[in-house]
Amino acid sequence: QKEVEQDPGPLSVPEGAIVSLNCTYSNSAFQYFMWYRQYSRKGPELLMYTYSSGNKEDGRFTAQVDKSSKYISLFIRDSQPSDSATYLCAMRSGGSNYKLTFGKGTLLTVNP
Amino acid sequence: ETGVTQTPRHLVMGMTNKKSLKCEQHLGHNAMYWYKQSAKKPLELMFVYNFKEQTENNSVPSRFSPECPNSSHLFLHLHTLQPEDSALYLCASSQGPGQGDEKLFFGSGTQLSVL
Repeated sequence: QKEVEQDPGPLSVPEGAIVSLNCTYSNSAFQYFMWYRQYSRKGPELLMYTYSSGNKEDGRFTAQVDKSSKYISLFIRDSQPSDSATYLCAMRSGGSNYKLTFGKGTLLTVNP
Repeated sequence: ETGVTQTPRHLVMGMTNKKSLKCEQHLGHNAMYWYKQSAKKPLELMFVYNFKEQTENNSVPSRFSPECPNSSHLFLHLHTLQPEDSALYLCASSQGPGQGDEKLFFGSGTQLSVL
């Protein structure tokens, strides 16, 4: 079983739709969870950063972590064409362990 | 701009060439990283430097040779590469292990093609 599973898509939605992106993981030691957005021909940029379980909201974006199910989600409300990108989940355990384990990424297209 | 600059943006090289990738960060970070991104694969950590000292070599073949002269600059020297080494090579920086919440800031990458 891979440490982090992420459906690569592609996912295509109309403008204004609510988008749900998900990752599952197997390592119960993971405590820090991130979502990165990567536009074509660019490096990943950090979008959301959460610690342990719970929700975090930032504008149209909500990150959700369910450690009991080993499942994390990113919701995008009122999606825009500018949200079209690849979304990567990443996670790491705590303490001084700085190594991130990434998912493969989900390619999202928001159609005007 | 993320504060991490990589050059060149694109590189085509033959298997017998020697080339170098350059990364510079303007964020005052202490840790720098090289990642490899191939199609349909997760990002693979290659090397980590913390305060100019290499703290991680993730079983990377010796045809990849990193160099970190100071906390702001990172190089990846390439020689006798194979076609399967074609990928996007990403540099990243962070405050440093144990220094905070370890948020990575990435450069735009070098798209490498090995012929």
